Amino acid sequence: DIVMTQSPLSLPVTLGQPASISCMSSQSLVYSDGITYLSWFQRRPGQSPRRLIYWISNRDSGVPDRFSGSGSGTDFTLKISRVEAEDVGVYYCMQGTRWPYSFGQGTELEIK
Amino acid sequence: EVQLMESGGALVQPGGSLRLSCAASGFSFSNYWMNWVRRAPGKGLEFVASIKDDGSKDYYVDSVKGRFTISRDNAKNSLFLQMTSLRADDTAVYYCTTSKGHSVPDWGRGTLVSVSS
Repeated sequence: DIVMTQSPLSLPVTLGQPASISCMSSQSLVYSDGITYLSWFQRRPGQSPRRLIYWISNRDSGVPDRFSGSGSGTDFTLKISRVEAEDVGVYYCMQGTRWPYSFGQGTELEIK
Repeated sequence: EVQLMESGGALVQPGGSLRLSCAASGFSFSNYWMNWVRRAPGKGLEFVASIKDDGSKDYYVDSVKGRFTISRDNAKNSLFLQMTSLRADDTAVYYCTTSKGHSVPDWGRGTLVSVSS
């Protein structure tokens, strides 16, 4: 099974400052079709998870452009250019390359 | 707008059974793979099971193989998860999700399953 490892697990950030979350996979996430199936999700307190980004860097409709994804192979990053209060929550990376699909442990973003 | 509404969560004793349902609307249900994903208290997210659009294939995480069965009724736009031999570590919020492009674009609100004596 592919293991997804996120860091840090806790991320205190000052409002207006940037934030970065790392996600590493135990195997390459490049599928046989050449696409890398790495997604990012946000779970705000009391809410269901919401997808932010798919296929490494494609933002979902309605996701602010301060969120961006990058990376390749086994090493991926989610960046928030300027953290806002509504960004508080837990962020997860997820691989959809090999079943069982799997998530990282989650990174809890809080405001300092 | 995609809507996924789970139901069926409850408090059940270890060894018991439960059937979760998910009512889907706002999209062409029969064209989508569907999943059940769970979040245990204080823990992260875990894929539980996945089923092909026509119901002809299904996949399970090892920890539930032989105990859980995913199924669907495309005529009724409904997804199900039959859970048997429930254990304490099955306690979680269970989410019904769509599956598209090897990702999970849509999530329901979840239903809570508690396994305890």
